[in-house]
Amino acid sequence: DIQMTQSPSTLSASVGDRVTVTCRASQSIGGWLAWYQQKAGEAPKLLIYEASILDAGVPSRFSGSGSGTEFTLTISSLQPDDFATYYCQQYNSYSLTFGQGTRLEIK
Amino acid sequence: EVQLLESGGGLVLPGGSLRLSCVASGFTFSNVAMSWVRQAPGKGLEWVSSIRGSSDKTDYADFVKGRFTITRDNSKNTLYLQMTSLRVDDTALYYCAKRGAGYNCDGGGSCHYYFDHWGQGTLVSVSS
Repeated sequence: DIQMTQSPSTLSASVGDRVTVTCRASQSIGGWLAWYQQKAGEAPKLLIYEASILDAGVPSRFSGSGSGTEFTLTISSLQPDDFATYYCQQYNSYSLTFGQGTRLEIK
Repeated sequence: EVQLLESGGGLVLPGGSLRLSCVASGFTFSNVAMSWVRQAPGKGLEWVSSIRGSSDKTDYADFVKGRFTITRDNSKNTLYLQMTSLRVDDTALYYCAKRGAGYNCDGGGSCHYYFDHWGQGTLVSVSS
């Protein structure tokens, strides 16, 4: 199975900051990567698929990039609503696998 | 509006069985692959199983192969997960998820999915 490793595991930041979360795959997955946001007590929400395509309705302050084995999720200017846990997921091959999550907390 | 409503969770003894259901609405269910993804308390997301719209292909995570069975009834817009030989480490919130439009099919005819809509989950607790 392809292992997905996110860094950092926890990120402390302030409203207005630019933040980046990294996701690394144990082997090349092309561009078959999705990012999700999950708030406490809620289901995950799709943000980005195919590494860089924003899902409908996702604010433009979110962006994704990368290919092969290294990917990033960037939030250009943090808003209060963005403090949550973020997961990457590869859909290059089975088993589908997720990163362990990055918790974004208020500094 | 897409809606996914899971049910069927509960407390079960180790070795027991449970069947989860997910009723879907707001899209043409029979055209869309569906999946189950779980999340143990305080832990991350873990893919469990997927099934194509026509039920002609199913895939499972290794840790549930031979124990769990995914099925669907397109006449009822319902997805199922039959779980047997349950273990303590199967304790989790089980989400039903709809595949996104931009899925990936490889040359071997196998398709892999991300998830654009999720239900709210149903909690399965396995404990003696």
